[in-house]
Amino acid sequence: DIQMTQSPSSLSASVGDRVTITCQASQDINNCLNWYQQKPGKAPKLLIYDASNLETDVPSRFSGSGSGTDFTLAISSLQPEDIATYYCQQFGNLPFTFGPGTKVDMK
Amino acid sequence: QVQLQESGPGLVKPSQTLSLTCTVSGGSISSGYYYWSWIRQPAGKGLEWIGRSYINGSTNYNPSLKSRVTISVDTSENHFSLKLSSVTAADTAVYYCARDLGSGSYLDNWGQGTLVTVSS
Repeated sequence: DIQMTQSPSSLSASVGDRVTITCQASQDINNCLNWYQQKPGKAPKLLIYDASNLETDVPSRFSGSGSGTDFTLAISSLQPEDIATYYCQQFGNLPFTFGPGTKVDMK
Repeated sequence: QVQLQESGPGLVKPSQTLSLTCTVSGGSISSGYYYWSWIRQPAGKGLEWIGRSYINGSTNYNPSLKSRVTISVDTSENHFSLKLSSVTAADTAVYYCARDLGSGSYLDNWGQGTLVTVSS
């Protein structure tokens, strides 16, 4: 199985801050990576697909980049509604696997 | 707007079979663009992909669960199902159904999730 790691595991930031989360795959997955946002008690929501494509209706302050084994999710200006846990997911190889998550809260 | 809704027992005894159904509304499960998937999440932990099924019966399963899992699609009822046999306490989790756009395999539509507890 492809192992996914994320860093940091948690972070605190202020409204308006730029936030970056990194995700690393244990082997080359090209651009076969998605990002999800999960708020407490809710199902995950797709934010970014194919490493860099913004899902419909997701605010443009979210962006994704990377290819191969290293990927980044960025929030250009953190908003209160962005408080959540963020997961990366690879689909380059079966079984599809998720990262352990990065919890983002407000400072 | 397609919506997915999980249903099934919230409590299952050890060694028994967990059975859940995901009803799809607002669209046809027979659309050829999608796989139909299950993901689970133990309390306070991360997400685990269980597997997926296409409408023609083609399936992919997580090898860690493969010997115990069956996912099937019922186009006449517009729903799909998960069966997980020989459950233990380690199978206690929130179970989500989701739609998987197979070409890119992203999970673009999720059910709200249902908690299944394995306990005697």
